[in-house]
Amino acid sequence: NAGVTQTPKFRVLKTGQSMTLLCAQDMNHEYMYWYRQDPGMGLRLIHYSVGEGTTAKGEVPDGYNVSRLKKQNFLLGLESAAPSQTSVYFCASRDQWVGNQETQYFGPGTRLLVL
Amino acid sequence: AQSVAQPEDQVNVAEGNPLTVKCTYSVSGNPYLFWYVQYPNRGLQFLLKYITGDNLVKGSYGFEAEFNKSQTSFHLKKPSALVSDSALYFCAVRAPYNNNDMRFGAGTRLTVKP
Repeated sequence: NAGVTQTPKFRVLKTGQSMTLLCAQDMNHEYMYWYRQDPGMGLRLIHYSVGEGTTAKGEVPDGYNVSRLKKQNFLLGLESAAPSQTSVYFCASRDQWVGNQETQYFGPGTRLLVL
Repeated sequence: AQSVAQPEDQVNVAEGNPLTVKCTYSVSGNPYLFWYVQYPNRGLQFLLKYITGDNLVKGSYGFEAEFNKSQTSFHLKKPSALVSDSALYFCAVRAPYNNNDMRFGAGTRLTVKP
């Protein structure tokens, strides 16, 4: 049981390049999330999904797109990277059942540097 | 929108001493409050949560937190700190009307010295 995994672990992009971050979970969770972590600001929610085929905007969605084609995977896309998107990106998932649904399980993070 | 504040960027304590990491919150309605811990180069790990019930919540690794409604606080505590407790601690609050909207504090770095 690997929990939540993220690919890649680290990436350097040039301004204007595109890339996709992959999050995978093997806990059969319905809900998945993408956060960014910046110094002094904690984590901020980018997008989330409440189930396969669904996505919704979070607190800071601009410049990002997401897709949830399979229940276990949640992809975060940057169409045209900007230096302001330099950050550490975390994926998380949680269960939908009452009593278990409040705890989010986080991946190890992807460190992205945009030059 | 709901929010939390962690007034201390850094907390230093000696091993064996009690520790407190502070958190205050702002939310409309009943709060859903959480503490997470982050070790270097790792994702966040759940420590404990307050949804309803007793104001003193016990969590993982000997940590506990006290919910104080009048002071809108949810401070994290441990009676006797360990060097291995050194990490980054995040307080978070969930919106009562949207269980997908979690807001995190900026984090407090706890250093426990031998």
